[in-house]
Amino acid sequence: DIVMTQTPLSSPVTLGQPASISCRSSESLVNSDGNTYLSWLHQRPGQPPRLLIYKVSDRFSGVPDRFSGSGAGTDFTLKISRVEAEDVGVYFCMQSTQFPRTFGGGTKVEIK
Amino acid sequence: EVQLVESGGDLIRPGGSLRLSCTASGFTVNNYYMSWVRQTPARGLECISILYSDGTNTYYADSVRGRFTISRDNSKNTLYLQMNSLRAEDTAVYYCTRLGAFDIWGQGTVVTVSS
Repeated sequence: DIVMTQTPLSSPVTLGQPASISCRSSESLVNSDGNTYLSWLHQRPGQPPRLLIYKVSDRFSGVPDRFSGSGAGTDFTLKISRVEAEDVGVYFCMQSTQFPRTFGGGTKVEIK
Repeated sequence: EVQLVESGGDLIRPGGSLRLSCTASGFTVNNYYMSWVRQTPARGLECISILYSDGTNTYYADSVRGRFTISRDNSKNTLYLQMNSLRAEDTAVYYCTRLGAFDIWGQGTVVTVSS
């Protein structure tokens, strides 16, 4: 199975400031169809994970444009341009290039 | 609206059995790969089973192979997870997901295995 490693484990941020989360996969996530299936999920306490970004950089419906994804191959980044209070929670990266889906361990974003 | 609603979670004793259900709306389950993902504080998010769209091919994580069975009922547009020989380490929130270029997640159902 592909191993997904996220850093940092925790990210205290100031409201209105940017935040960045990294995710590295144990092997390339480029699929045989040419697409790279790397997603980012956000989870608030007591809630299910919510899809933010798929295929590295495509924002899911309704996701604010302060969220952006980038990267290629094995290294990926999620950026929040200006953190808002509703952005707190845990962020996960997930690969869907290869079965089974595998997930990063999560990065907790909290307000300083 | 595309939606998945899980049910069937409960408090169950070790060695017991439970069946989880996931009812889909807004799409037809037999047109998609469907999966069960569970989440625990210790192990994080773990994809434990996949049912291919052909309805025959399956995947199981080592942790549940031989004890859990994934299936679907096309007439009810519902995915199932039959869980037997439950262990304390199966305690988790169980999510049903529709696989694709982007995945759709249900709200989850809680399974607690404890004496």
